[in-house]
Amino acid sequence: DTGVSQNPRHKITKRGQNVTFRCDPISEHNRLYWYRQTLGQGPEFLTYFQNEAQLEKSRLLSDRFSAERPKGSFSTLEIQRTEQGDSAMYLCASSLVTGSLNAIYFGEGSWLTVV
Amino acid sequence: DQQVKQNSPSLSVQEGRISILNCDYTNSMFDYFLWYKKYPAEGPTFLISISSIKDKNEDGRFTVFLNKSAKHLSLHIVPSQPGDSAVYFCAASGEAAGNKLTFGGGTRVLVKP
Repeated sequence: DTGVSQNPRHKITKRGQNVTFRCDPISEHNRLYWYRQTLGQGPEFLTYFQNEAQLEKSRLLSDRFSAERPKGSFSTLEIQRTEQGDSAMYLCASSLVTGSLNAIYFGEGSWLTVV
Repeated sequence: DQQVKQNSPSLSVQEGRISILNCDYTNSMFDYFLWYKKYPAEGPTFLISISSIKDKNEDGRFTVFLNKSAKHLSLHIVPSQPGDSAVYFCAASGEAAGNKLTFGGGTRVLVKP
């Protein structure tokens, strides 16, 4: 299977702890996105990378959140000092941007529960 | 400010009949539109897309229609099957809009056998 891979799939953490999620995009894709989804809502954009460069961050991404894509391949999303409001599904997606628009493919998501 | 709206939160349809899902957008910078299907606890699965240079795109049982003047698109599923029961999200994108997806709130479809 060469789709977008995310891990861990589920994470339960105590408030105040740090968590990190990893995303491995489809191998030839140059763009990588992070989204967040809560129950009953559509996914909300957090940030995206073109190769290793982080090109845009949503205002939803507070300074407790940091994302990296060090070699333009996999990416990590770290949440520091987690709060209960951070509980959500964190979705990673990738696409191949070639000048024309192409579909964006999502991973299975990483569920975060902050207790 | 919801730039992409799906005004029907749910839809129930009989197996074999047509499902029609609607989506409206406000940002005229959007020029690429996608539909995703989502099962609980899974990521969204890409279904079909359409560029603003077209008004219709068909792929098997799925057809997407785009009315640019009305800023409206719809997804037709025919015939509907029980396995189509899921939440469907409309999303919009465009180079001038940052090439990122803006999603609607979703429509839950239930296909009854």
